[in-house]
Amino acid sequence: DAKTTQPPSMDCAEGRAANLPCNHSTISGNEYVYWYRQIHSQGPQYIIHGLKNNETNEMASLIITEDRKSSTLILPHATLRDTAVYYCIVRNTNAGKSTFGDGTTLTVKP
Amino acid sequence: GAGVSQSPSNKVTEKGKDVELRCDPISGHTALYWYRQSLGQGLEFLIYFQGNSAPDKSGLPSDRFSAERTGGSVSTLTIQRTQQEDSAVYLCASSYPAVRYGYTFGSGTRLTVV
Repeated sequence: DAKTTQPPSMDCAEGRAANLPCNHSTISGNEYVYWYRQIHSQGPQYIIHGLKNNETNEMASLIITEDRKSSTLILPHATLRDTAVYYCIVRNTNAGKSTFGDGTTLTVKP
Repeated sequence: GAGVSQSPSNKVTEKGKDVELRCDPISGHTALYWYRQSLGQGLEFLIYFQGNSAPDKSGLPSDRFSAERTGGSVSTLTIQRTQQEDSAVYLCASSYPAVRYGYTFGSGTRLTVV
């Protein structure tokens, strides 16, 4: 699996958009980008995933660059409950193990 | 079931004892994963099961760790002769086999070795 790099921490004001970057410069053509988040003491929660195109669901939007070497998770209107560790991972077509890095700790402030 | 179920939710054991951790995946999910998360750390891959294929055991940290999956459903992670460094949250996840499906994680088992 391709390695991902994320900033260790970010702050965001409540009600503003939170933009979380992820670099995956060694991603291969058949690997998907996935985002999960982990709120304290809970198991990671799926947010969104994509291959090439930008994606949007009820939780977030995922913007993938044209060269697929980086992506950005956007939480359009962050709330205090969005405070969590956000993990960006890549998964290849055999759907086997994925390597989770240390993620980004997002703190949403009032 | 509606989600991935893990039991027990908490386990305190004495150093040197064996423990078994259980995972009930979502019905129909043929892929099952075990991860470990030490305090303040990211997720560490342990083992992966997919259908009847041989499991990927490449993440098991020592031969004290083993896992099985019976009937393609329930999985048990066994740690023999537990050590204090085994203290962590053990997370199980399941998914459909294709990469376009994400994992669903359970709430984990918090293991404390005293």
